[in-house]
Amino acid sequence: DAGVIQSPRHEVTEMGQEVTLRCKPISGHDYLFWYRQTMMRGLELLIYFNNNVPIDDSGMPEDRFSAKMPNASFSTLKIQPSEPRDSAVYFCASSPARPPSLPDTQYFGPGTRLTVL
Amino acid sequence: SQQGEEDPQALSIQEGENATMNCSYKTSINNLQWYRQNSGRGLVHLILIRSNEREKHSGRLRVTLDTSKKSSSLLITASRAADTASYFCATDGSGLTGGGNKLTFGTGTQLKVEL
Repeated sequence: DAGVIQSPRHEVTEMGQEVTLRCKPISGHDYLFWYRQTMMRGLELLIYFNNNVPIDDSGMPEDRFSAKMPNASFSTLKIQPSEPRDSAVYFCASSPARPPSLPDTQYFGPGTRLTVL
Repeated sequence: SQQGEEDPQALSIQEGENATMNCSYKTSINNLQWYRQNSGRGLVHLILIRSNEREKHSGRLRVTLDTSKKSSSLLITASRAADTASYFCATDGSGLTGGGNKLTFGTGTQLKVEL
């Protein structure tokens, strides 16, 4: 398996522009997570999906951020309009379903480095 | 807020030495995981320890868990230059069985292993 795939790997945009980050999870994984990593705030969970349904979006910073998962093999994170403070590395991760009492592991993609000028 | 806090924030050692990193957390957990992140890359899972376990080994890695102190340690023995990376602990404190695996990551320890 190719692992979690993210695109683009790098994105440079100007303030006010719309940014769309893409993620393809590992086939067969039921959970998909979006994280943001910055030096100041570390690794933050933004939102996660189970079987394409958003379960917890409490980490989404504000209404400018939205995420969708139209099918089991694709998810997007959109920022509209983007601001310089959105500059960060955004990671997508997936994990298999967890039967009761069995913990599981998250598999991370390589990340998208976003710079908003 | 971050559930886990790693200590130290940065650690520099010589190749062949052992490296110990600590993680403290605040609420009860189901399990605790350790991840490694190489510069410019995503996180990679290293080892998982359940709340009813006290110690676990995997190759050169040794993890301990003390739920009474809400702390864990990661020991890397006979370190190598390739071990240079950031190390994060992550806790699953959802308390839900089969209901999801939301993880909360700590702040990380930057390990540098010098030749």
